Amino acid sequence: DTGVSQDPRHKITKRGQNVTFRCDPISEHNRLYWYRQTLGQGPEFLTYFQNEAQLEKSRLLSDRFSAERPKGSFSTLEIQRTEQGDSAMYLCASSLGSSGGYNEQFFGPGTRLTVL
Amino acid sequence: SQKIEQNSEALNIQEGKTATLTCNYTNYSPAYLQWYRQDPGRGPVFLLLIRENEKEKRKERLKVTFDTTLKQSLFHITASQPADSATYLCALETGFQKLVFGTGTRLLVSP
Repeated sequence: DTGVSQDPRHKITKRGQNVTFRCDPISEHNRLYWYRQTLGQGPEFLTYFQNEAQLEKSRLLSDRFSAERPKGSFSTLEIQRTEQGDSAMYLCASSLGSSGGYNEQFFGPGTRLTVL
Repeated sequence: SQKIEQNSEALNIQEGKTATLTCNYTNYSPAYLQWYRQDPGRGPVFLLLIRENEKEKRKERLKVTFDTTLKQSLFHITASQPADSATYLCALETGFQKLVFGTGTRLLVSP
């Protein structure tokens, strides 16, 4: 399977703990996105990378959230001191972004986080 | 304020009929608009993209229209099948190829 993969698929943690999620994009894709989705809502943009550079972060991304994409390949999203409001599906997507081109995004299956 | 609105109520139709889903937006000027399908517990899957200078785009049983004056896109599925049952999301490009998604409309096609 050469699609976007995410690990783990499910994570249950206690409030105050730190969690880290991993995303492996499609290999030739230079852009990688993180979204958060809660029940009944569409995906909300969190941040995105072009290669290893983090180009934009949403105001939703508090200082407890950090994302990295070392070497422009896989990415990690870490949430420190988790809160119950962080419970959501965290989606990763990748695309072959190009100047002036459109941006079909390929999504992974998501990581469902439950904070108790 | 910027808003993307899709019908929050589920759309129920009979197999074989045409399903029409609506996406309205305010205070955006997207260069293009995309439609995605999402099944429960899965990530969205890209279906169609339409650019601001295009009025209509088709792909098999799917058709999308884009009216930048009305700030509206319509998504049609002709000859609908139970397998088309899913949530359909519209997404606007908001600069630097970043997407903003609507809340989605759930479609239920009954046999």
